[in-house]
Amino acid sequence: KAGVTQTPRYLIKTRGQQVTLSCSPISGHRSVSWYQQTPGQGLQFLFEYFSETQRNKGNFPGRFSGRQFSNSRSEMNVSTLELGDSALYLCASSIRTGTNTEAFFGQGTRLTVV
Amino acid sequence: GQNIDQPTEMTATEGAIVQINCTYQTSGFNGLFWYQQHAGEAPTFLSYNVLDGLEEKGRFSSFLSRSKGYSYLLLKELQMKDSASYLCAVHSNSGYALNFGKGTSLLVTP
Repeated sequence: KAGVTQTPRYLIKTRGQQVTLSCSPISGHRSVSWYQQTPGQGLQFLFEYFSETQRNKGNFPGRFSGRQFSNSRSEMNVSTLELGDSALYLCASSIRTGTNTEAFFGQGTRLTVV
Repeated sequence: GQNIDQPTEMTATEGAIVQINCTYQTSGFNGLFWYQQHAGEAPTFLSYNVLDGLEEKGRFSSFLSRSKGYSYLLLKELQMKDSASYLCAVHSNSGYALNFGKGTSLLVTP
């Protein structure tokens, strides 16, 4: 069974540009959550999508947006990039089975803004 | 608000046992996760607790007390490869969004 796949693995962008990151969840998982990880702030929740609908949203500016497609694949977009957006962006694929919840992470996309 | 606290750093000796604590104050509770993250890699799922008590999985065990807002991860027979960051995360809402602590960096020494 394939794991969570994120593309690309690495990106270098210039301030002011925009970027789109992709996440394919584990087959059968309908929930995709996005996180930003930086050395100073740790892992911070961006947003969660379930069945093509944004279900939860973290405290990030409107420059950060996302969407989910009918096959559960999700994309995250950051517009007008700032130096502070340099981070590891992780997506997690989740499912609940009975009282148990599983949440697995992809390898992440390392974004560097210069 | 959400508040999840873990020690920043811990050091332990190979072969020993180490306990990493996590305390949380969240507006809801649907479960608590522990992840391991090696430098430059993605977090790897270790355990999930939703009911009070101890869950054992090989060398790793996790304990939860919902009334105290407290969990710990117990690592036995430490190996050098256990040197990593250990992340405590609370699932507190109706979706699957997780609130993470800042992580505990564990160094295992010979």
